[in-house]
Amino acid sequence: KQEVTQIPAALSVPEGENLVLNCSFTDSAIYNLQWFRQDPGKGLTSLLLIQSSQREQTSGRLNASLDKSSGRSTLYIAASQPGDSATYLCAVSGNTPLVFGKGTRLSVIA
Amino acid sequence: NAGVMQNPRHLVRRRGQEARLRCSPMKGHSHVYWYRQLPEEGLKFMVYLQKENIIDESGMPKERFSAEFPKEGPSILRIQQVVRGDSAAYFCASTRDRDDYGYTFGSGTRLTVV
Repeated sequence: KQEVTQIPAALSVPEGENLVLNCSFTDSAIYNLQWFRQDPGKGLTSLLLIQSSQREQTSGRLNASLDKSSGRSTLYIAASQPGDSATYLCAVSGNTPLVFGKGTRLSVIA
Repeated sequence: NAGVMQNPRHLVRRRGQEARLRCSPMKGHSHVYWYRQLPEEGLKFMVYLQKENIIDESGMPKERFSAEFPKEGPSILRIQQVVRGDSAAYFCASTRDRDDYGYTFGSGTRLTVV
């Protein structure tokens, strides 16, 4: 059974800092890994999708890496801004539909 | 090209009533997934459907919950005789194929049982 763990559960940083969010999964037989952002009381916004054959994806200040063999992914956010404050969710798809971690709640302090 | 559409956005039901949540997938997507997010919990998979077929319902509670995705019209998640513990955000996602390039989620329906 696939399990996804995200560390840390919560993170508070001053504006301008670079930061890394971690995600690990137990079953390496995945099709792809997706990072989402969720604002309080809102839906999920897809940030980055990494297919199983890829090692990383970049979008603006965001960079996500995938090491399938070790069951790990990281989301790197450069030059953080208060508008980045949200919960970041990691999810993997494979033999079962998308399985989510519990998320990292990020606060960027101005 | 509208995304995944869910309605209603908010739904209030008294205990014992029925709740019907609707989800229209993205254009060209024929696979629909329902997830539930309880307060302070992660998103939990409930059911995966294709048109007229339930593919995987391993996350659905055994009683009171049902889902359908008819040939025409939206997918429906139906909760009969709601209880306070059913209060949650229910999200729908769609993909084009089973091994698609990522899931697209709707904005969710927030169900409150009073």
